[in-house]
Amino acid sequence: EDQVTQSPEALRLQEGESSSLNCSYTVSGLRGLFWYRQDPGKGPEFLFTLYSAGEEKEKERLKATLTKKESFLHITAPKPEDSATYLCAGSKGNTPLVFGKGTRLSVIA
Amino acid sequence: DTAVSQTPKYLVTQMGNDKSIKCEQNLGHDTMYWYKQDSKKFLKIMFSYNNKELIINETVPNRFSPKSPDKAHLNLHINSLELGDSAVYFCASSQAGGITEAFFGQGTRLTVV
Repeated sequence: EDQVTQSPEALRLQEGESSSLNCSYTVSGLRGLFWYRQDPGKGPEFLFTLYSAGEEKEKERLKATLTKKESFLHITAPKPEDSATYLCAGSKGNTPLVFGKGTRLSVIA
Repeated sequence: DTAVSQTPKYLVTQMGNDKSIKCEQNLGHDTMYWYKQDSKKFLKIMFSYNNKELIINETVPNRFSPKSPDKAHLNLHINSLELGDSAVYFCASSQAGGITEAFFGQGTRLTVV
């Protein structure tokens, strides 16, 4: 069965304390790995798509990387406004996204 | 201009009632979805439509019936609501099935009492 597993479930950081979120997947024939941000009471907001191992994408303090078995979302010098739940999802290309359970990130000032 | 919009945002209803959630996208996408997010925030696919045709129907009770009158709309009708149906329901759309990113609506929080 296709699965996406995220760790840790929750992460508490001090402002400026860099860290990484992990997403491991067992999706046979993975065509794309997606990262989303979800704020309370809102829908997931698209951040990145990664299509092949070795690919990296950056946006402000976030950088997403992909290997053959997992993806990381690196957060550099986070700010309180980065607090959210970060969701990872995999796709085979002809099927809907399969989501992980998310990592709840809290950044304390 | 909202890309994917759902109505209503909140829905409180009694067990046994029938209710509908509406979704519209103005992105010109071919594929639309319904996802359910449970109390533990886990997002799970319910239905996938491509050009008004049902492509995927995950293990969802047949009390749930999606209807797509045209490519830009995908509504969700729920019969005989049960307590366990309480969740947040998200509509989403994407350009090319699962290979491109999906854009999500703001969600409908359904509470069955």
